Amino acid sequence: GDSVTQMEGPVTLSEEAFLTINCTYTATGYPSLFWYVQYPGEGLQLLLKATKADDKGSNKGFEATYRKETTSFHLEKGSVQVSDSAVYFCALIQGAQKLVFGQGTRLTINP
Amino acid sequence: NAGVTQTPKFRILKIGQSMTLQCTQDMNHNYMYWYRQDPGMGLKLIYYSVGAGITDKGEVPNGYNVSRSTTEDFPLRLELAAPSQTSVYFCASNFEQPLTRRTFFGQGTRLTVV
Repeated sequence: GDSVTQMEGPVTLSEEAFLTINCTYTATGYPSLFWYVQYPGEGLQLLLKATKADDKGSNKGFEATYRKETTSFHLEKGSVQVSDSAVYFCALIQGAQKLVFGQGTRLTINP
Repeated sequence: NAGVTQTPKFRILKIGQSMTLQCTQDMNHNYMYWYRQDPGMGLKLIYYSVGAGITDKGEVPNGYNVSRSTTEDFPLRLELAAPSQTSVYFCASNFEQPLTRRTFFGQGTRLTVV
């Protein structure tokens, strides 16, 4: 079945560092891809999405490009802030509208 | 516009007790979902519904039941609580149109079974 694999965490960076969180997927068709973020004590919020190959989703300085050839959707940010500390989930949706999540990557940014 | 509302936010159950987690959405979404999130793991789908009167099992349905009598409400029932059901539960909803596949989540219910 469909699956999503994220890089293992936790990830700890200093403020203003460059961030990459890897995400690869396995799917039979052409899924839509998402990054969700979960701040401490809160539910999941959509961070960005891409619905077809070569689309780039972006929001709050984060970007991810839908790469069909490598089945990847890596999350990047050029300069992270302490407020970016959260758990990040890569996910896909296809067919019956069910989101399939990766295991999540906990990100901690130190001042 | 409240979005997806879950109650309660926290609950401690004893083994063998039962409870219902409530979920309601005011966005007229057809699709609703229940996920559980175990520590260090991604979200696993328990049950989902594509509309009032229609429900189906997800990846981890054992020990749970759901009903969908209205578009707005999608309660999750635990009949005989077990320690393995200690988790954070999230309700979610979205439209059925593919181009608007944004899923909205509730804030979660932290359940501990002792």
